[in-house]
Amino acid sequence: GDSVTQTEGLVTVTEGLPVMLNCTYQTAYSDVAFFWYVQYLNEAPKLLLRSSTDNKRTEHQGFHATLHKSSSSFHLQKSSVQLSDSALYYCALSKTNTGKLTFGDGTVLTVKP
Amino acid sequence: EAGVTQSPRYAVLQEGQAVSFWCDPISGHDTLYWYQQPRDQGPQLLVYFRDEAVIDNSQLPSDRFSAVRPKGTNSTLKIQSAKQGDTATYLCASSLDTQYFGPGTRLLVL
Repeated sequence: GDSVTQTEGLVTVTEGLPVMLNCTYQTAYSDVAFFWYVQYLNEAPKLLLRSSTDNKRTEHQGFHATLHKSSSSFHLQKSSVQLSDSALYYCALSKTNTGKLTFGDGTVLTVKP
Repeated sequence: EAGVTQSPRYAVLQEGQAVSFWCDPISGHDTLYWYQQPRDQGPQLLVYFRDEAVIDNSQLPSDRFSAVRPKGTNSTLKIQSAKQGDTATYLCASSLDTQYFGPGTRLLVL
C-alpha cells in the first residue's frame, strides 16, 4: 500500500534561520496528490500546501515545496522561520479519485528565539 | 463559513464502555472521513462516506466500531466496547475537493 515517511520526529531551529522538513513516499499509483498539513496545539490539521505536478514549486505562507517524482520526495522548506511556525507538520498523499489521505507520522517543528 | 465541528471534545472511559462521537461537516460537502490519530502518529483513515453511502470501511474494526451518515450530512462514529488500545484522537474531515478537519475528540480509555 501507500506510505509516507517523515524521518525527523523533532526539528529545532533558531528564529530567522532556514528549515527543511523531509518527506518521502511510496505509491504504485500515478494519479496522486501530495500535501503538507500543519497542526497547532489542540487545533485541527490545516492544509498548508498541495501539489500534484512534478518539479513545480508550490508556495503558501512563506513555505514552499517541490514534488520530485524521480526521488519520491516532497520536502517542506522555509527560508526564515518565525516563532509562530512552531507546530506539528504532516506530509500526506492521496489518490485523486478517492481523496483518502495517507499521512506520515509528523514532524514537530520548534522555533526558539 | 463554519468549519467542521465535533463533539464531545474529550471523553474518558473504562474498558468495555461504549462511546459515540458526532461530526457536523461543512455545509455542502459530500464526502466525510473519520480518522484515528494515536499519540505520536499520523491520522489513519477508518471510514469514509460519499453522501450517505459508505465508500470504504476496510480499516474500521467492525466488531466494535460502527459509523453512519444517514442523511448525508452529520455522522456518528460509535465504539461499542472500548479497549485501552482505542486511546487516540478521532478526527472528522469533510471535502468537496480539499479535506477540512474538525478539532477532534480526544478519547482516553482506562
